[in-house]
Amino acid sequence: NAGVTQTPKFQVLKTGQSMTLQCAQDMNHNSMYWYRQDPGMGLRLIYYSASEGTTDKGEVPNGYNVSRLNKREFSLRLESAAPSQTSVYFCASSDLSPSEQYFGPGTRLTVT
Amino acid sequence: GDSVTQMEGPVTLSEEAFLTINCTYTATGYPSLFWYVQYPGEGLQLLLKATKADDKGSNKGFEATYRKETTSFHLEKGSVQVSDSAVYFCALSGIRDGNNRKLIWGLGTSLAVNP
Repeated sequence: NAGVTQTPKFQVLKTGQSMTLQCAQDMNHNSMYWYRQDPGMGLRLIYYSASEGTTDKGEVPNGYNVSRLNKREFSLRLESAAPSQTSVYFCASSDLSPSEQYFGPGTRLTVT
Repeated sequence: GDSVTQMEGPVTLSEEAFLTINCTYTATGYPSLFWYVQYPGEGLQLLLKATKADDKGSNKGFEATYRKETTSFHLEKGSVQVSDSAVYFCALSGIRDGNNRKLIWGLGTSLAVNP
């Protein structure tokens, strides 16, 4: 099992460009999550999908959109990148209970 | 609302020293508690968990006991190694809205172990 995979691993964007971060899991989990990690801020939830066909906003959804393409895949889109979106992005998945989450290796995004 | 407070880092120890990283929480009901570890350049991985009061989670020499009376879940290890250098996150399963699929995270504590 690959667990949770993310692509790309690194990305540099110019302000205003768009891109989609891809995430897939092979554990048949119902719930999937997108986080960003910034120094001194810990992990902040951007969006999550409790089950296939549903998505909900987390703490910091502004500037992002998500798509739960199917049970395996959950993508995060930046429509018009801003320097404030420079961060490390993690995708995670979990089964219904007890909320233990499995993380991907992360995408390091720099917006100039 | 639910919250998690961890001791601030960085924590610097010599090899074989005793480690404690404090974690306290505020929550309604009976959440599950977790410690995650993030090694340099990697994603987070579950280190240990406890799902009810007085449970002790343990893994790789690390331990933490779910103390409801003090609302704490402190992480301990008797003898740290250089390979334990990482960032440690305390988390609880938020159940306030009946949805226990989201986690509430502490800010993380960075540990550096010197040989």
